[in-house]
Amino acid sequence: AQSVAQPEDQVNVAEGNPLTVKCTYSVSGNPYLFWYVQYPNRGLQFLLKYITGDNLVKGSYGFEAEFNKSQTSFHLKKPSALVSDSALYFCAVRDDNTDKLIFGTGTRLQVFP
Amino acid sequence: IAGITQAPTSQILAAGRRMTLRCTQDMRHNAMYWYRQDLGLGLRLIHYSNTAGTTGKGEVPDGYSVSRANTDDFPLTLASAVPSQTSVYFCASSDRVGTEAFFGQGTRLTVV
Repeated sequence: AQSVAQPEDQVNVAEGNPLTVKCTYSVSGNPYLFWYVQYPNRGLQFLLKYITGDNLVKGSYGFEAEFNKSQTSFHLKKPSALVSDSALYFCAVRDDNTDKLIFGTGTRLQVFP
Repeated sequence: IAGITQAPTSQILAAGRRMTLRCTQDMRHNAMYWYRQDLGLGLRLIHYSNTAGTTGKGEVPDGYSVSRANTDDFPLTLASAVPSQTSVYFCASSDRVGTEAFFGQGTRLTVV
């Protein structure tokens, strides 16, 4: 069965430092991968996706993600974190069998001033 | 403002009562979804609809029903609420199944 794993419940980083939020996936076919962000008391907002092509995907708010097929990973990155980036981040994969999005359990990013 | 509207934003409901969560989108998206979000479990799909007139079961459909009479509306009904249905419910839509989804603000439901 298709799945995604977010191994870290929380990531702490100082403002101005680079950040990485990890995601690994398991799919039977070609992976369609997504990152979403959720601010407090809000719905999820789409950040970026990987369908095919360049392994480095650029998205909203300066975020990017790197697709690594050999490591089955799709880590979210940003060169310089902002306090306003503090939020809950979800990785998702499209299920090959049902075509639905399967979400990870989420990683809380805390950026300290 | 274009997007997805959910109502109510929050509700406290007595166990055994019937409740319908409303969801409307104005993006003319074909696919719509209902998720519940619980601490430590992420988002789990309850029901979905590929297009108006069709619905399907997600990962956790028991105790919930949906209908899709038209493109814009996708209500979620709890026929007889139980405390384990206390959660935050999100409606979402996408142009087609499997593409990026757009989410509503959520409905916080507490069943007591």
